[in-house]
Amino acid sequence: DIQMTQSPSSLSASVGDRVTVTCRASQSISSYLNWYQQRPRKAPKLLIYAASSLQSGVPSRFSGSRSGTDFTLTISSLQPEDFATYYCQQSYSIPYTFGQGTKLEIK
Amino acid sequence: QVTLRESGPALVKPTQTLTLACTFSGFSLSTSGMCVSWIRQPPGKALEWLARIDWDDDKYYNTSLKTRLTISKDTSKNQVVLTMTNMDRVDTATYYCARVIGPQTGHDYWGQGILVTVSS
Repeated sequence: DIQMTQSPSSLSASVGDRVTVTCRASQSISSYLNWYQQRPRKAPKLLIYAASSLQSGVPSRFSGSRSGTDFTLTISSLQPEDFATYYCQQSYSIPYTFGQGTKLEIK
Repeated sequence: QVTLRESGPALVKPTQTLTLACTFSGFSLSTSGMCVSWIRQPPGKALEWLARIDWDDDKYYNTSLKTRLTISKDTSKNQVVLTMTNMDRVDTATYYCARVIGPQTGHDYWGQGILVTVSS
């Protein structure tokens, strides 16, 4: 199975900050990497697919990039509603695997 | 408008078999490229993918759970069913179903989830 390692596991930031979350795959997954946001007691929401494509309806302050097996989710200017947990997921091969999550908290 | 909703028991006993249904609308699972996954999340923990069924009835399973899982679909009812045998306390989790179009994209629509507790 492909292992997905996210860092950091938690992050404190302020409204207006620029933040990045990283996800590393244990082997090549091409660009088959998706990012989700999960607010407390809610289902995950797809933000980014194929490493850098913005899902319809998602604000443009969210962006994704790839460098080899390293993937980055960037939020350009944090808004109050962005404080949540973020997960990466590879869709390159079965079984799909998720990262362990990054909890973004208010500083 | 795409919607998915999970249904099933909130409480099961250890060793019992869990049966969950995902009833969806707004798309057809007979359309080429359409797939539905089951994903779970133990309280306070990360997401774990369980299984996927495709429009052509291909089925895929989590490596470590595949002997306990069965996924099936009823296209006429717009429903996907997951069974998990020999339930244990560690299987306590919120279980989600979610749509994926094309097997290598993200899950774009999710159900609200159903919390299943395993306890005697």
